[in-house]
Amino acid sequence: DGGITQSPKYLFRKEGQNVTLSCEQNLNHDAMYWYRQDPGQGLRLIYYSQIVNDFQKGDIAEGYSVSREKKESFPLTVTSAQKNPTAFYLCASRDTGRDGNQPQHFGDGTRLSIL
Amino acid sequence: AQSVAQPEDQVNVAEGNPLTVKCTYSVSGNPYLFWYVQYPNRGLQFLLKYITGDNLVKGSYGFEAEFNKSQTSFHLKKPSALVSDSALYFCAVRGFAARTGANNLFFGTGTRLTVIP
Repeated sequence: DGGITQSPKYLFRKEGQNVTLSCEQNLNHDAMYWYRQDPGQGLRLIYYSQIVNDFQKGDIAEGYSVSREKKESFPLTVTSAQKNPTAFYLCASRDTGRDGNQPQHFGDGTRLSIL
Repeated sequence: AQSVAQPEDQVNVAEGNPLTVKCTYSVSGNPYLFWYVQYPNRGLQFLLKYITGDNLVKGSYGFEAEFNKSQTSFHLKKPSALVSDSALYFCAVRGFAARTGANNLFFGTGTRLTVIP
C-alpha cells in the first residue's frame, strides 16, 4: 500500500538533546511538509520541500532543521534550541504533478515529549 | 492574509440527525478549500475539496460541503450522523504566503464533533 510512514510513534527528549523524526513516503510525491499540532491551535507549518535538495522555512521554523536528500524521505530534527518541543508532529506529502490543488496526504504522527 | 475560522470548538449532535461544522475563510484570489478529519492519535484524512464549479461538493463517508462565495463560507454537512463520525475536523484554505513565497495550506483550529448515540 502507498502511504506515509512516520517513526517513532512516541519520542522522549532530554534537555539539551537533539532528536530526529523520520518521515518516509512511497507515493512518489514531490512535495513534503512538516507540521506541528498543539491543542486548540490547529496545524502550523514548520518546513516544506517542493523538490529534492530544496526546502523552505514555514511559519515556525526556529529550533528545527530538515534535509531532503531523497524524494522519499524528509526527516525533521528538533534541536535543543526549540524550548517548547512537546507537541504532535505531522508529516505530509502532495502530488504537484497533475494540478496545483491535489490534497496533502498525512502520516500518523509522532508525539514528542520532554523528559 | 489568508486565514480560516472555525467558530465552534465543539459540536454535539444526536445519531441520525443532520450535522453541520462551520468554516469561514479569508483569502486573496480564488479560494481553494479543503476539509480533513482526524481520529485520536492519527494523522489527518482528506474528506473533500472545492476548487471551482458546483457549490455543493461531495466527499468521502457521505460528507458534503457547501461553498458560499458571498458569505465566504465552506460548511461541512452530513444528512445523518453516525457515532463513528465523532472526530476532530479541520477546514483549510490554500493561499499565497508572502513570508514563505509559496502557496501552502492554512488550517483552522479544528472542531471536535461528538455524535451521541
